[in-house]
Amino acid sequence: GENVEQHPSTLSVQEGDSAVIKCTYSDSASNYFPWYKQELGKRPQLIIDIRSNVGEKKDQRIAVTLNKTAKHFSLHITETQPEDSAVYFCAASQGGGSNYKLTFGKGTLLTVNP
Amino acid sequence: DTGVSQDPRHKITKRGQNVTFRCDPISEHNRLYWYRQTLGQGPEFLTYFQNEAQLEKSRLLSDRFSAERPKGSFSTLEIQRTEQGDSAMYLCASSSVRDRSYEQYFGPGTRLTVT
Repeated sequence: GENVEQHPSTLSVQEGDSAVIKCTYSDSASNYFPWYKQELGKRPQLIIDIRSNVGEKKDQRIAVTLNKTAKHFSLHITETQPEDSAVYFCAASQGGGSNYKLTFGKGTLLTVNP
Repeated sequence: DTGVSQDPRHKITKRGQNVTFRCDPISEHNRLYWYRQTLGQGPEFLTYFQNEAQLEKSRLLSDRFSAERPKGSFSTLEIQRTEQGDSAMYLCASSSVRDRSYEQYFGPGTRLTVT
């Protein structure tokens, strides 16, 4: 089955700096890669996703890059703000056929210091 | 609120008791998923339904766990003879086959504590 590794487990940055979180996956059949943000005591919420036919996707201060050959994908947050502080999870899925389940990484606790 | 809802939000039970959780997906979402999340970990897949059919169940899932989605709308997750290791947040998510974004929308979760 799919295995997703996520690094780092914790990340502390100063407000205004950039943050990068990296994930690797094992199943070459995976083709959908979402990133979820989870604030303390709240539900995971999708912040950005990418499919395997795209190498990069941006949404304002957030971007995701995907390298299918190397089986890794990364989340980039620019101009970080204190409200970006949360746990971020990457995930992978085959995103089609009969297999839509998400396999998650263990998460990265991002702290943005004012 | 048109999002995914779960009930109860918190459940404390004694070891050996049975518990049942309910999930109401977003209206017209035909896919429904159950995940379990323990402290410091990402959500772990348990099972998933397309309409009323249970299409996949994690091989790691004990036979004490069973899930149903009888009319293709809400779903229940039952844990029989609970153990302390079952203590976790149980998350439900839903998605639509018509929504080509594949996005799964999560509910607020049911936090289970087994004493």
